[in-house]
Amino acid sequence: GQNIDQPTEMTATEGAIVQINCTYQTSGFNGLFWYQQHAGEAPTFLSYNVLDGLEEKGRFSSFLSRSKGYSYLLLKELQMKDSASYLCAVMDSNYQLIWGAGTKLIIKP
Amino acid sequence: IAGITQAPTSQILAAGRRMTLRCTQDMRHNAMYWYRQDLGLGLRLIHYSNTAGTTGKGEVPDGYSVSRANTDDFPLTLASAVPSQTSVYFCASSEGTGGTDTKYFGPGTRLTVL
Repeated sequence: GQNIDQPTEMTATEGAIVQINCTYQTSGFNGLFWYQQHAGEAPTFLSYNVLDGLEEKGRFSSFLSRSKGYSYLLLKELQMKDSASYLCAVMDSNYQLIWGAGTKLIIKP
Repeated sequence: IAGITQAPTSQILAAGRRMTLRCTQDMRHNAMYWYRQDLGLGLRLIHYSNTAGTTGKGEVPDGYSVSRANTDDFPLTLASAVPSQTSVYFCASSEGTGGTDTKYFGPGTRLTVL
């Protein structure tokens, strides 16, 4: 079966760095997405990786290793507004998105 | 209208009742989707439409139906609601269906079936 694993919850301190991991087992691979979802709101797009390596976008970076079935989202200089759930999703060989359950990130002052 | 809108925002429904969740996008996107989000689970695809006039079944289609009469609207109907359909429902759209096509989500409908 297809599976996306990510930690259920993480806690970090304002101003620090946090890495949210995602491992996947899917039938085929056509890219990996990270979305941010604040409580009670819709998911919003953060990043897309299809080739191995690091993609940097401001305070957020996303890394992909296709051979290891592994990605991480790196958030730097954490701000209170970064408190949210972070969803990892993989597009399989049929171009269907398989979603992880999300990682709830709690930022403490 | 900017982006995707959904209605209603929330609804409490008696079991056995029929309910239609509305979704409208103004981005002229070809593809539209309905997901449900339940605590502890990833988003699950209910139905999708790659272009106006076509629809397809997702991972959890039972008990739901959709139509896509035009580009902008993609309503989701629960013919006879059951308590297990209590969930948050998100409509989404994307320009195409390829690997790089980012999905844009509506604000969601919180549905409770009693």
